[in-house]
Amino acid sequence: AQSVTQLDSHVSVSEGTPVLLRCNYSSSYSPSLFWYVQHPNKGLQLLLKYTSAATLVKGINGFEAEFKKSETSFHLTKPSAHMSDAAEYFCVGGFKTIFGAGTRLFVKA
Amino acid sequence: DAGVTQSPTHLIKTRGQHVTLRCSPISGHKSVSWYQQVLGQGPQFIFQYYEKEERGRGNFPDRFSARQFPNYSSELNVNALLLGDSALYLCASSLEQGALGYEQYFGPGTRLTVT
Repeated sequence: AQSVTQLDSHVSVSEGTPVLLRCNYSSSYSPSLFWYVQHPNKGLQLLLKYTSAATLVKGINGFEAEFKKSETSFHLTKPSAHMSDAAEYFCVGGFKTIFGAGTRLFVKA
Repeated sequence: DAGVTQSPTHLIKTRGQHVTLRCSPISGHKSVSWYQQVLGQGPQFIFQYYEKEERGRGNFPDRFSARQFPNYSSELNVNALLLGDSALYLCASSLEQGALGYEQYFGPGTRLTVT
């Protein structure tokens, strides 16, 4: 069965430090993968997507993700966290649109 | 251009009642999908419609149904409401069918509370 697993339910970082949100997937074929962000009381916003064109994908607001087939991972990173990055982040498998359980990012001043 | 719009924003219903939620996709988008997001969890796929035909269905009971109209807007209907149906219902639109790299654009959702 295809699945998406977000390895951390909560991540806490200090402002200005790097962010790493982890996502593993399982699929019998090369998937389409996405990262979405959900701010409180706001809709889901697409951060970036992977569709096999390039393994390193750059998204909005300084986020990027690297597709590693050997590790079946698609981790989301950002070099320097900002207070406005505090939100819920979802890794999504394009196959049947499977959402991960989400990772809540806290950013401390 | 307007994004995906959903109505109503909030809704309170009693157990056993039925509810209709509405969604208007981004202009030019032909695919609409519905998701249920229970508090503290990720969205769960309910339905996908493309060109007015059902193209995908998640693991939800038959109490849930949907349709897509010629203008590509969509309705989600839920009959015989249960307390567990309380959730944020999200609508998403995309240019083509999903699952193959076409990103989806989400509406703000309808918050349904069943008492």
